Amino acid sequence: GQQLNQSPQSMFIQEGEDVSMNCTSSSIFNTWLWYKQDPGEGPVLLIALYKAGELTSNGRLTAQFGITRKDSFLNISASIPSDVGIYFCAPSSGATNKLIFGTGTLLAVQP
Amino acid sequence: DAGITQSPRHKVTETGTPVTLRCHQTENHRYMYWYRQDPGHGLRLIHYSYGVKDTDKGEVSDGYSVSRSKTEDFLLTLESATSSQTSVYFCATTGGNTDTQYFGPGTRLTVL
Repeated sequence: GQQLNQSPQSMFIQEGEDVSMNCTSSSIFNTWLWYKQDPGEGPVLLIALYKAGELTSNGRLTAQFGITRKDSFLNISASIPSDVGIYFCAPSSGATNKLIFGTGTLLAVQP
Repeated sequence: DAGITQSPRHKVTETGTPVTLRCHQTENHRYMYWYRQDPGHGLRLIHYSYGVKDTDKGEVSDGYSVSRSKTEDFLLTLESATSSQTSVYFCATTGGNTDTQYFGPGTRLTVL
């Protein structure tokens, strides 16, 4: 099956710090999505990337679709306590409308 | 938010009993998905549907069946629940013109 590696597994940071996480794969994808999951809730879409090399921002969040189409990163600038949660990358080959999910990055922000 | 509801939200059952989880959507989305979420595994696809009466298996389909008789409802059935099926189950939908999936609030199932 397709291998998807998401790192780091967890991060414990101070409020105001910047955060970076990434996903890499041996497979090529056409779409990279980033989701956030708050405790007890379903994942919510943060950013969608549809083109290799694409850099997209959503407020304090910035994500990039790697030029090789095998990786993506998500940066959060000036973290705040409500950024706490689990962040998932979810790429798709596009042919079947199916997503593959990374194992998640748990983010904890100390006020 | 794609108007997705899941029922029940919590269920405790015993090994060997049948269980059915329901996903309901109000967006007329064509595609619907069932995932399970377990620590260390992220979200894994159980089954999905690409239209009424059209379903297919995901990566962890053993022990599960699905049915979709109407666009808005996608049912997940555990014919005979086992303790290994204790998990949080999420339903998701997409209209199909993009890969973006929208998730329901989840069902926490405990099999004793």
